[in-house]
Amino acid sequence: QLQLQESGPGLVKPSETLSLTCTVSGGSISSSSYYWGWIRQPPGKGLEWIGSIYYSGSTYYNPSLKSRVTISVDTSKNQFSLKLSSVTAADTAVYYCARHPAATMNWYFDLWGRGTLVTVSS
Amino acid sequence: SSELTQDPAVSVALGQTVRITCQGDSLRSYYASWYQQKPGQAPVLVIYGKNNRPSGIPDRFSGSSSGNTASLTITGAQAEDEADYYCNSRDSSGNYQVFGGGTKLTVL
Repeated sequence: QLQLQESGPGLVKPSETLSLTCTVSGGSISSSSYYWGWIRQPPGKGLEWIGSIYYSGSTYYNPSLKSRVTISVDTSKNQFSLKLSSVTAADTAVYYCARHPAATMNWYFDLWGRGTLVTVSS
Repeated sequence: SSELTQDPAVSVALGQTVRITCQGDSLRSYYASWYQQKPGQAPVLVIYGKNNRPSGIPDRFSGSSSGNTASLTITGAQAEDEADYYCNSRDSSGNYQVFGGGTKLTVL
């Protein structure tokens, strides 16, 4: 059964870069059937899509975050990663990785990681 | 502000039917997907496409769409359905993902 697991520092200083990794287990990240995405949720607030990547490396990002976001994939490790630069307290959130099918006009995330809380504070 | 608009809170009596709505221009062209999120847990997909339920989702959950509005209906709400519900689809350009602001469902 395919599972996603987020990992990375739980505390990041303001102005620094937040780095997280999502490890895919029980299946291959190189499947042509899926994109792999990052979504975040500030405490007590709603969900915000950050961006998504295909196993080939093709990416698309939320326009509101695009200038600070980089998502990459390492197929040899079955992982994909998120980097968010110049963080502020507003970037404090639970960060989720998730999978969404590629070959559909109607997008949806069918599998999620448990999420990891990242706090931005000095 | 989100390009998909949801009512912040809805309540339903135990065993009754409740409809949670999501409005947005992109919904005239694309179906919404719906997620259930309980406190401290990751979201769970409950409806996708025209009206599809992932394996394990009870058939009391259903989806529909009309014009710019997508709806999630729970027929015979149970206590365990109390949660936050989010819709998700494309933005108005059709190029990016967007979530609604979420609806908190209370089962009375």
